[in-house]
Amino acid sequence: NAGVTQTPKFRILKIGQSMTLQCAQDMNHNYMYWYRQDPGMGLKLIYYSVGAGITDKGEVPNGYNVSRSTTEDFPLRLELAAPSQTSVYFCASSYWTSGGQETQYFGPGTRLLVL
Amino acid sequence: LAKTTQPISMDSYEGQEVNITCSHNNIATNDYITWYQQFPSQGPRFIIQGYKTKVTNEVASLFIPADRKSSTLSLPRVSLSDTAVYYCLVGDGGGSYIPTFGRGTSLIVHP
Repeated sequence: NAGVTQTPKFRILKIGQSMTLQCAQDMNHNYMYWYRQDPGMGLKLIYYSVGAGITDKGEVPNGYNVSRSTTEDFPLRLELAAPSQTSVYFCASSYWTSGGQETQYFGPGTRLLVL
Repeated sequence: LAKTTQPISMDSYEGQEVNITCSHNNIATNDYITWYQQFPSQGPRFIIQGYKTKVTNEVASLFIPADRKSSTLSLPRVSLSDTAVYYCLVGDGGGSYIPTFGRGTSLIVHP
């Protein structure tokens, strides 16, 4: 199993440009998440999905969009890049047991710099 | 939603036992407590999870008192490679659950 994969690893964007961060998992997990992590800070949830075709906003969704057409893929779209979106982006997938236990598996991250 | 509070940072030395406490006063009946570890430039990884009393695995132990309003992650005989940020999460996957990592506890292990 590759686990959770993310592409690209690093990207520089100009203000106003758009891009899509790719995330894929091969563990057949229903839940998937996108987080951002600013330097010295914790992770903030951007969007999440509980299954194909279902997405919902997290704490900081403004400036981002997501889609979940398959169980495996959960791309994150930045439409008009702004310097405030300079961050490291982590994708995660998880499963929940019937008893309410969750384990999240994280990808290696995408480092984004907006200039 | 249960909010968690952890110390921002801790220092230790190789070979010592480290205990990191997380407060979660508003924990709900069905909530589990989960700890993650994050090394620089990597995504967090699962360490341990528990509901009550004590849980132990090959990496750490988790102590949860009867009132479950706090939990303590215990790392036995730390090494330099345990230098990382440790996050405590509380939740049960219910309809309103949003995982919240907070700033975590930055543990620095000195030689």
